[in-house]
Amino acid sequence: NAGVTQTPKFQVLKTGQSMTLQCAQDMNHNSMYWYRQDPGMGLRLIYYSASEGTTDKGEVPNGYNVSRLNKREFSLRLESAAPSQTSVYFCASSEVPAGGLGELFFGEGSRLTVL
Amino acid sequence: KQEVTQIPAALSVPEGENLVLNCSFTDSAIYNLQWFRQDPGKGLTSLLLIQSSQREQTSGRLNASLDKSSGRSTLYIAASQPGDSATYLCAVKGSQGNLIFGKGTKLSVKP
Repeated sequence: NAGVTQTPKFQVLKTGQSMTLQCAQDMNHNSMYWYRQDPGMGLRLIYYSASEGTTDKGEVPNGYNVSRLNKREFSLRLESAAPSQTSVYFCASSEVPAGGLGELFFGEGSRLTVL
Repeated sequence: KQEVTQIPAALSVPEGENLVLNCSFTDSAIYNLQWFRQDPGKGLTSLLLIQSSQREQTSGRLNASLDKSSGRSTLYIAASQPGDSATYLCAVKGSQGNLIFGKGTKLSVKP
């Protein structure tokens, strides 16, 4: 059972570089999410996709873009990385749209350091 | 704005003890509440999901309760084991659909 798979698991960037975090789920879920986790801040929602073809901003979207490539895949792009984006990024999915009652399943996380 | 608080931030108990983790939220208009476990360097694993119409959910040695009127949930762990050591997070799903997380309680169970 793969569940939610994120790549890469670790990445070091220099300020100004760009990169894309990839996420794929094999549970046929409609909704997918990107969170970041920082010490003392907890988990915060960056963007989410309630269903294929839709994306919406979460609590901290600045500096990020997302693409819901198909039902399985949801990518997060940093166009010009900044040290403040050093964090652990988690992708998650759920069966029902964001306003529904679905249980959330998480990937293992991607640890990003921006120098 | 919904805020979720977990107290204490850290807890250390001897093996075999029963324990309670607390979660409080400021807006009682929630769809559900979910408890997660996070091991160091790992993602979050869902433990229990309580719908807004439910009062509690049980899974093995875990029991989660929900009191919407007081804005509280508790996670009860019976007969704790060293393998229960992890950070436990609660999250509430509000009217706008976002999951709002607490900062977690780091549990250490000593053999």
